[in-house]
Amino acid sequence: DTGVSQDPRHKITKRGQNVTFRCDPISEHNRLYWYRQTLGQGPEFLTYFQNEAQLEKSRLLSDRFSAERPKGSFSTLEIQRTEQGDSAMYLCASSLVGGAETQYFGPGTRLLVL
Amino acid sequence: DQQVKQNSPSLSVQEGRISILNCDYTNSMFDYFLWYKKYPAEGPTFLISISSIKDKNEDGRFTVFLNKSAKHLSLHIVPSQPGDSAVYFCAASAYSGGSNYKLTFGKGTLLTVNP
Repeated sequence: DTGVSQDPRHKITKRGQNVTFRCDPISEHNRLYWYRQTLGQGPEFLTYFQNEAQLEKSRLLSDRFSAERPKGSFSTLEIQRTEQGDSAMYLCASSLVGGAETQYFGPGTRLLVL
Repeated sequence: DQQVKQNSPSLSVQEGRISILNCDYTNSMFDYFLWYKKYPAEGPTFLISISSIKDKNEDGRFTVFLNKSAKHLSLHIVPSQPGDSAVYFCAASAYSGGSNYKLTFGKGTLLTVNP
């Protein structure tokens, strides 16, 4: 059974650079979510996709952030012109749509912006 | 405004005893609740969930209790084992558009089980 995978696991970048993260969901799952977790906080919802459609974006997702899921399978999250405040763990989760959904999380990508 | 609150940042118990982790919520629209366990440098792992139509759900050593009138839920782990040492997150979602989807998390409780 293959779970949710994320790549890279760690990323260190300089302020102002662009970064891109990838998430591969559980293969039969049609919903994919992005969350962000900072130190001492729980994960916070950023956005989600049903198949290839992006259905909701949090106000936390500034215009420097963009997410895609072009073929309804893997997803990418890009952060342009990174800022030190973007330093966080970026978590991806997937689920099957319908009723009370259980989301399964990947290992996360830890971003450090210097 | 914190809609899901875990007021105990940490909890320490002896191996073999019961661990009780608590969670309160303020949004009356929440109707599905989940507990996740998280080890350092890993993503959250799903443990157990409960729908608002129930007041108890049990899975092995883990039991979740829901008190809707008090907007309170708790996770009981019996017996506690050293491998249970982790951060536990309470999460909640509201039914919308045909399903529950967006999760709102608490800040987590660090459980330490001492041998």
